[in-house]
Amino acid sequence: AQKVTQVQTEISVVEKEDVTLDCVYETRDTTYYLFWYKQPPSGELVFLIRRNSFDEQNEISGRYSWNFQKSTSSFNFTITASQVVDSAVYFCALSEAWAAGNKLTFGGGTRVLVKP
Amino acid sequence: DGGITQSPKYLFRKEGQNVTLSCEQNLNHDAMYWYRQDPGQGLRLIYYSQIVNDFQKGDIAEGYSVSREKKESFPLTVTSAQKNPTAFYLCASSIDIGGEGEAFFGQGTRLTVV
Repeated sequence: AQKVTQVQTEISVVEKEDVTLDCVYETRDTTYYLFWYKQPPSGELVFLIRRNSFDEQNEISGRYSWNFQKSTSSFNFTITASQVVDSAVYFCALSEAWAAGNKLTFGGGTRVLVKP
Repeated sequence: DGGITQSPKYLFRKEGQNVTLSCEQNLNHDAMYWYRQDPGQGLRLIYYSQIVNDFQKGDIAEGYSVSREKKESFPLTVTSAQKNPTAFYLCASSIDIGGEGEAFFGQGTRLTVV
């Protein structure tokens, strides 16, 4: 069965500091997809990034970057130079390629508070 | 604009009543999902549907029912059998059933039992 664990429940930083969110996953599938979503106070989840299990290249997109390490089953997410608008709950999620219905399994979330 | 619309945003239910949460999407997605979120916790899958007239139970389906008569619509009924229904409910859809496509979410319905 697939499982996602987010190590930190809450992180508090001062604006312009970098924030790294840790995510560890478990799956028996060889093909899977990992996601990060942001949930602002309004409640709607917003898709941020996706990585498939065959592509371990780490990337940067604007102020977001991610570090996917298959050997340790980790998919960490970093916000560089944080801003107050980054305050939200961030979820890591896993989807197995052969699971019926694109079943997304979510971690418990990490609340990020960016103080001015 | 394309997206997912959930209604109502807030819903109050008396004990013993059934209530139905609406979810409509105009993204032409085949797959739709219902998740439940409790305070300070992640999302748990209630039901999902890959195609019209077909749906499967998720991890916490007891006390809930769904229908998928139209591609655009996936209503969720919270029945009186659901012992602790107070929660935040999120509907989502995705284009890809193979797991790769990201899910798009509605703004959620906050259900409170009074």
